[in-house]
Amino acid sequence: DGGITQSPKYLFRKEGQNVTLSCEQNLNHDAMYWYRQDPGQGLRLIYYSQIVNDFQKGDIAEGYSVSREKKESFPLTVTSAQKNPTAFYLCASSIGGGYGANVLTFGAGSRLTVL
Amino acid sequence: SQQGEEDPQALSIQEGENATMNCSYKTSINNLQWYRQNSGRGLVHLILIRSNEREKHSGRLRVTLDTSKKSSSLLITASRAADTASYFCATVLISNFGNEKLTFGTGTRLTIIP
Repeated sequence: DGGITQSPKYLFRKEGQNVTLSCEQNLNHDAMYWYRQDPGQGLRLIYYSQIVNDFQKGDIAEGYSVSREKKESFPLTVTSAQKNPTAFYLCASSIGGGYGANVLTFGAGSRLTVL
Repeated sequence: SQQGEEDPQALSIQEGENATMNCSYKTSINNLQWYRQNSGRGLVHLILIRSNEREKHSGRLRVTLDTSKKSSSLLITASRAADTASYFCATVLISNFGNEKLTFGTGTRLTIIP
């Protein structure tokens, strides 16, 4: 079955540690996205990538980093510089490239808790 | 800041009734989409309406778009307990560089009472 796989589903981190969330898709989609969801605030865009080896900052990129070395993979690193990292993180992908092409397919999410 | 704002924030109705939720946005858009999220899960795309369309149907879903008022509504008819979820609108903007970016609203939490 085609889809997006996020791992781990739950992750606990001590303050000062970097953690990396995995996102893999087998949909042959060009574009991939990372969103953060906090209670009552909807989804906020962290980073997005329209093509391999290229990515752009979203609305809340500070304290996060990404890479896009392969079409299928878009890992997100939550660094120690992120002041309030406890949240639900959602990865998504889309065909990309043109009007009306951006219907997103989402993964099941990763819940990060800082202890 | 959020581009879309849903109204109401929460809605509880009896099973079988119709549910209507609204979305307002601030700037011109290329299309608007509605997504559904079950608790603790990822979002699922429901329907897309383009800026030159006024109404669209998909099964029990009806979406309207009023670009002059910068607003959209989602109507779910004959609601079922399984419709209990949060519903988000997302607006699509095209940047000068051709990049598409979806911006989500804060969502409406819908509860269907059996």
